Amino acid sequence: AQSVTQLGSHVSVSEGALVLLRCNYSSSVPPYLFWYVQYPNQGLQLLLKYTTGATLVKGINGFEAEFKKSETSFHLTKPSAHMSDAAEYFCAVSDQTGGGNKLTFGTGTQLKVEL
Amino acid sequence: EPEVTQTPSHQVTQMGQEVILRCVPISNHLYFYWYRQILGQKVEFLVSFYNNEISEKSEIFDDQFSVERPDGSNFTLKIRSTKLEDSAMYFCASLTVPNEQFFGPGTRLTVL
Repeated sequence: AQSVTQLGSHVSVSEGALVLLRCNYSSSVPPYLFWYVQYPNQGLQLLLKYTTGATLVKGINGFEAEFKKSETSFHLTKPSAHMSDAAEYFCAVSDQTGGGNKLTFGTGTQLKVEL
Repeated sequence: EPEVTQTPSHQVTQMGQEVILRCVPISNHLYFYWYRQILGQKVEFLVSFYNNEISEKSEIFDDQFSVERPDGSNFTLKIRSTKLEDSAMYFCASLTVPNEQFFGPGTRLTVL
């Protein structure tokens, strides 16, 4: 079974400050890892994903995440927060076996960006 | 850019009534999914569908739920007899290679 833990249900940063959203996963098989963003009353938009290869992955809107197998982590970062980044962020994991590839989501982190 | 669409955007129903939520996945995708998100909670997997049959389902997906791909484009989720606790946002997703699920905008189901 897979699981995802997102530390901090609410994170608040100042505009221009570093954004760091934490995600740790548990998986018995090599994982695929994802970050999704959800703006109010909207669906889920993929920010970035790790499947294989380079462990530092870059996504949309200046976000990036690093897969660290030894730490079972996939933290999301952005060097400089913008007001438009305020949203809920979900980390998710799926496994590489079979064809189903369901996503298991974390509980989400609400990012607030203040002036 | 291709996208997953869902209808209706909001459905209000009485407890005990049947509802059908509709999704049009991206045309060349082969795997289809339903997830739900109860207000304020995380997104939960309900069911995956491949080659015209369910490939995996969660504990939530009991006998009250069913899925169907009635034609080459639509993918539906039916709840036979809705309960108050079925109130949630329901997301459809479809999968391409490599493992990127595209999500629809969701249907907000309100059971009164």
